[in-house]
Amino acid sequence: DIQLTQSPSFLSASVGDRVTITCRASQGISSYLAWYQQKPGKAPKLLIYAASTLQSGVPSRFSGSGSGTEFTLTISSLQPEDFATYYCQQLNSYPFTFGGGTKVEIK
Amino acid sequence: EVQLVESGGGLVQPGGSLRLSCAASGFTFSSYWMSWVRQAPGKGLEWVANIKQDGSEKYYVDSVKGRFTISRDNAKNSLYLQMNSLRAEDTAVYYCAREWVGAAATDYWGQGTLVTVSS
Repeated sequence: DIQLTQSPSFLSASVGDRVTITCRASQGISSYLAWYQQKPGKAPKLLIYAASTLQSGVPSRFSGSGSGTEFTLTISSLQPEDFATYYCQQLNSYPFTFGGGTKVEIK
Repeated sequence: EVQLVESGGGLVQPGGSLRLSCAASGFTFSSYWMSWVRQAPGKGLEWVANIKQDGSEKYYVDSVKGRFTISRDNAKNSLYLQMNSLRAEDTAVYYCAREWVGAAATDYWGQGTLVTVSS
């Protein structure tokens, strides 16, 4: 199975900060990676697919990059509504797997 | 508007069975792979299983193989998860989700249904 390691697992930041989350795959997954945002008690929401394509309706302050084994999610200027937990998911090979999550909290 | 509504969760004893359902609307259900993803209380997301548009291919995470069965009824726009031999570690919120194969992503999610396995 492909393991996805997210770092950091916890991040404390202020409104307006630039935030970067990393997702490393245990083997190459090309660009078959998606990023999700989840708020407490809610279902995940798709932010980025194919590693770098912004899902329709998602603010442009979110961006994704990478291919192969290393990927990043960047929030260019953190907004109050962005405080949440973020997950990466690989859809390159079965079983599809998720990273452990990165919780972004208010400093 | 795409909607996915899960039902069938509840409290079940270890070793018991439960069948989850997901009613889909707002899109052509028969054109999409569908999946189940779960989240144990306070934990991260775990992909459980998925099924091809016509039901001819199904994939499972190892921890549920032989115990869970994913199925669908395209005439009823419904997805199912039959869960047998349930264990305490199967306790989780189970989400029904639509897979967007062309984009390699899960683009729509239901609100989830809680399954609790406990005596």
